[in-house]
Amino acid sequence: GAGVSQSPSNKVTEKGKDVELRCDPISGHTALYWYRQSLGQGLEFLIYFQGNSAPDKSGLPSDRFSAERTGGSVSTLTIQRTQQEDSAVYLCASSWREGYTFGSGTRLTVV
Amino acid sequence: DQQVKQNSPSLSVQEGRISILNCDYTNSMFDYFLWYKKYPAEGPTFLISISSIKDKNEDGRFTVFLNKSAKHLSLHIVPSQPGDSAVYFCAASGSLPYAGGTSYGKLTFGQGTILTVHP
Repeated sequence: GAGVSQSPSNKVTEKGKDVELRCDPISGHTALYWYRQSLGQGLEFLIYFQGNSAPDKSGLPSDRFSAERTGGSVSTLTIQRTQQEDSAVYLCASSWREGYTFGSGTRLTVV
Repeated sequence: DQQVKQNSPSLSVQEGRISILNCDYTNSMFDYFLWYKKYPAEGPTFLISISSIKDKNEDGRFTVFLNKSAKHLSLHIVPSQPGDSAVYFCAASGSLPYAGGTSYGKLTFGQGTILTVHP
């Protein structure tokens, strides 16, 4: 597709459940990023994949968060045992030479 | 530790006037700065960037100024239009893109400023 695609666009889950968020980057983009935006906050870096290099996981807030990128393309962000403070908009972006292109995000609500 | 700060949560401007959005940073290792615009329910879109070797970059109605000694950058929009109403984020990176094709690495974002341009 022409842009970064994220699914689902909205997700409501019960506290304690696991969730998976998906990101389809722009074809050919070697870098993929996950950020989240909590209510009233800026964008918080979570994790960054660059080509075949080891991902930069320095932004993951706890070991309940993990992400993988299969075949250098699609990425999945997994949150285990969700907590209410995980509620946020999770944004994926990809880039090559130009600035990031962001997806529209997944709004996660933990109830 | 907020390394990139946008101290004004909101700004209201009359159509046709200049909008000035400000951003301060603390990390002297940052050498590339970007501005993004975000509408509700959409992802941020890239507006304009500047590297630390410059103090000004202009693109149409948008100009970004960088004052390295003050660790301050600003985005000027002139003339402002109602369609400019959105949340504006500044971001900083310690990486520069290179000809081989790379990313900026992770970006550190400010909290955002809500710009409202009144007709």
